[in-house]
Amino acid sequence: SSELTQDPGLSVALGRTVRITCQGDSLRGSFASWYQVKAGQAPLLVFHGQGNRPSGIPDRFSGSSAGNAAYLTITGVRAEDEGDYYCACQEPNDNIHFVFGSGTRLTV
Amino acid sequence: QVLLVQSGAEVKKPGASARVSCRASGYTFTHYTIHWVRQAPGQGFEWMGWINTLNGRAKYEQKFQDRVSISADTPATTAHMDLSDLRSEDTAVYYCARLVLDGSGSYFDSWGQGCLVTVSS
Repeated sequence: SSELTQDPGLSVALGRTVRITCQGDSLRGSFASWYQVKAGQAPLLVFHGQGNRPSGIPDRFSGSSAGNAAYLTITGVRAEDEGDYYCACQEPNDNIHFVFGSGTRLTV
Repeated sequence: QVLLVQSGAEVKKPGASARVSCRASGYTFTHYTIHWVRQAPGQGFEWMGWINTLNGRAKYEQKFQDRVSISADTPATTAHMDLSDLRSEDTAVYYCARLVLDGSGSYFDSWGQGCLVTVSS
């Protein structure tokens, strides 16, 4: 299966903006989804597709994509945004398999 | 609301099998596929496979093809993931997740709470 690569770790100050990148060939034919993971908790969907934020997710979370990359941007970072973030997408060549990114640990 | 509730933690010996169950509620079970994803300690997520809850057909990641079986009990709105010939590297938290397919692509909108399977002699 193909791979989705993310920066292992990012650090951002309170109130600033951070962009998390996800790169992989599968993203050329498939939309990314983004998940926030905190210790001891189930993953939480925070963004998906071209511009879809699930109900209850603050509007400081936004997403975009270009070519073989997808981006999750958090504007006005808050302390509670600290955690791990994973991208994922469906393999476009078979629409059966899925792949997750390597994950980014965000430190606020 | 949509809920996926998984079975409790298990400790297994190498070579044994483990079953993790995922009971769904709050929606029509057969309208969505259920996927299984695992996370080993300190590692990222690893997609394992999924089941079409309408017709019972399952698809697996090649890495797990020979050892995993995913099934669904429709009347009980429960999906099961069986992993055989367990090894220490199978120690992980196993999650079930509901997949949504719509105009914005495919994404996992609801997750179970996770089930820790520990493989140790």
